[in-house]
Amino acid sequence: AQSVTQLDSHVSVSEGTPVLLRCNYSSSYSPSLFWYVQHPNKGLQLLLKYTSAATLVKGINGFEAEFKKSETSFHLTKPSAHMSDAAEYFCVVSRTSGGSYIPTFGRGTSLIVHP
Amino acid sequence: DAGITQSPRHKVTETGTPVTLRCHQTENHRYMYWYRQDPGHGLRLIHYSYGVKDTDKGEVSDGYSVSRSKTEDFLLTLESATSSQTSVYFCAISPGEMGVFDEKLFFGSGTQLSVL
Repeated sequence: AQSVTQLDSHVSVSEGTPVLLRCNYSSSYSPSLFWYVQHPNKGLQLLLKYTSAATLVKGINGFEAEFKKSETSFHLTKPSAHMSDAAEYFCVVSRTSGGSYIPTFGRGTSLIVHP
Repeated sequence: DAGITQSPRHKVTETGTPVTLRCHQTENHRYMYWYRQDPGHGLRLIHYSYGVKDTDKGEVSDGYSVSRSKTEDFLLTLESATSSQTSVYFCAISPGEMGVFDEKLFFGSGTQLSVL
C-alpha cells in the first residue's frame, strides 16, 4: 500500500523568506510523486512531478522538490516566498491497482505569506 | 487548460434526496476520478473509471455510485443524500496510458454540494 503524509497542516512565512513544505511517502516500490497547488476557491494545478529521471525536480513559479529515497521524503521548497504563493499545497503519490492508476493525496498544507 | 466541465457548480439539496453530479471532458482521456475535499482531509477518492463501463471504488465510496457510458462523461450519484456528504466534489482526468503511471491529473472547477 502507498500513502503520503504532509507533516504540517499550516506553514507561515514572511514575504521574501524561504518556503519549506514537508512530505513523506510510503511505497512498496519506486513511486511517482507530485505536488499540486490550490489557490482559494480554485481547482488544483500541477506544480511539479518526480518520475525517477532526476532527484531534484523543478516546477512552476520557482518551486522545486528533492526526492530522497533514504528518507522517503519529497519536500517542496522555494527560495523566496511571494504573496501570490499563499494557497493549499498537496503532496500526491501514485499507486497502481490491477493495472489502474490511482493518485493518493496528502491532507494538504496551507501556506500563509505575511507582508 | 484541459477541457473538463463539472455541473452543477453549486447544489443545495435536502437529506434523503438523490443527487447526480456530472463530469464532462473533451480530451478523450482514459481515466476519470471523483474526489471529495473536506477541511483537514485533503482530497479523498470516491470512485474512478479506467474506461467506458469500467469503474472501481475508492477509499470513501459508501453512499455513492458512478456510471460511465461514454468516454467523455462520468456521473456521480448520491442515492440518498446525507449531511455528511456536504462537501466540495472534484472531477479529475488523466491520459493513463497502460503501464505509464506518472501521468498528471487535470481537475475540474469543483461542485459545492450542501445537504440540509
